[in-house]
Amino acid sequence: GQQVMQIPQYQHVQEGEDFTTYCNSSTTLSNIQWYKQRPGGHPVFLIQLVKSGEVKKQKRLTFQFGEAKKNSSLHITATQTTDVGTYFCAGLADYKLSFGAGTTVTVRA
Amino acid sequence: DAGVIQSPRHEVTEMGQEVTLRCKPISGHDYLFWYRQTMMRGLELLIYFNNNVPIDDSGMPEDRFSAKMPNASFSTLKIQPSEPRDSAVYFCASSPQGDIPYNEQFFGPGTRLTVL
Repeated sequence: GQQVMQIPQYQHVQEGEDFTTYCNSSTTLSNIQWYKQRPGGHPVFLIQLVKSGEVKKQKRLTFQFGEAKKNSSLHITATQTTDVGTYFCAGLADYKLSFGAGTTVTVRA
Repeated sequence: DAGVIQSPRHEVTEMGQEVTLRCKPISGHDYLFWYRQTMMRGLELLIYFNNNVPIDDSGMPEDRFSAKMPNASFSTLKIQPSEPRDSAVYFCASSPQGDIPYNEQFFGPGTRLTVL
């Protein structure tokens, strides 16, 4: 069945540095969504990508959908303490949505 | 808008007891989802409804779990009998109608279930 793999599982970042988290699917996706979950909180929708090669930006966050629609990435520039949390990708294929295991981000001030 | 409302926020029960989790989706949303989150298994989709009709329940772990949506503003997830391995955070989410399911999902605050 469809699997969405997300790496790395943990990301320890110095404040001010950049980092990227990656999402890979074994099957072609109809779309991919990204969510952020703060510690003790609930997932909050960040963005949805639908088109092959699509790139979207939200302030310091850049989301990309691969040309083959099997992978995606989230790049955060100039990391801040407010970026702490777990970032999940969720891929839709054959009307089934699969969440990745998430990348948990901690920030060193 | 109050967002997705879930109750209770915390539930502690003993093995073998029945547990009922409740969810009120955002008004006007046509899709409702139930998720379970654990450290070991991450975030798992259990079931989702479209216009109160269950569409995909392939994620429901076993017959002890059942979900209903009697109307557009209310859904329940029931576990009977409960077992310690059911301990998890259960999220309800809703999303508006669209060409495909799984548009932007709005998650509730979750119910933290502990089965002793």
